[in-house]
Amino acid sequence: KAGVTQTPRYLIKTRGQQVTLSCSPISGHRSVSWYQQTPGQGLQFLFEYFSETQRNKGNFPGRFSGRQFSNSRSEMNVSTLELGDSALYLCASSLEGQKSGNTIYFGEGSWLTVV
Amino acid sequence: DAKTTQPNSMESNEEEPVHLPCNHSTISGTDYIHWYRQLPSQGPEYVIHGLTSNVNNRMASLAIAEDRKSSTLILHRATLRDAAVYYCILSPRNAGNNRKLIWGLGTSLAVNP
Repeated sequence: KAGVTQTPRYLIKTRGQQVTLSCSPISGHRSVSWYQQTPGQGLQFLFEYFSETQRNKGNFPGRFSGRQFSNSRSEMNVSTLELGDSALYLCASSLEGQKSGNTIYFGEGSWLTVV
Repeated sequence: DAKTTQPNSMESNEEEPVHLPCNHSTISGTDYIHWYRQLPSQGPEYVIHGLTSNVNNRMASLAIAEDRKSSTLILHRATLRDAAVYYCILSPRNAGNNRKLIWGLGTSLAVNP
């Protein structure tokens, strides 16, 4: 079956702009999580959505937001982009979320560069 | 939120065993220990997980200390394709648990030919 699909793979934005990233989870998976990965910080949890509801949230400013649709597809949005937002954004899907025995499947990520 | 501690980097030779340690002294009784690895330019992928007993699968073995405060991922014969960053994380047993997964920086494994 198809894996986790993220689009776009690469994008360049200018400071102050906003960006929307998309994630299609594995069919049947209801949980989608988003992570930011930078060289010095590793994987930082942004938020988790389950059945269209945000179930958990990391320590990121309100400029970072997300949503999940009825088909479990998810989008995340970053407004008023800053240079420090340059990172790899990873989407992960699982059957029921952050629970033991639930394998998390990651997409290949969206590389965002802010100039 | 439960944290894990791993060495920043390790090195191994091809076809030799590799033991990747992880300390998780604040582990809860309901936490599973999960290992993932991230190959260059890819998202992390699942390797193995366990609760109390040692576990084996086609990719690796997981040895869990009796007090569960540490664990070791064992790659029996390292190959060049095993060069990756390995993450040890604690996963809560109950669905909907509000605790966030803490990934840390993992261990960067280099495999020499």
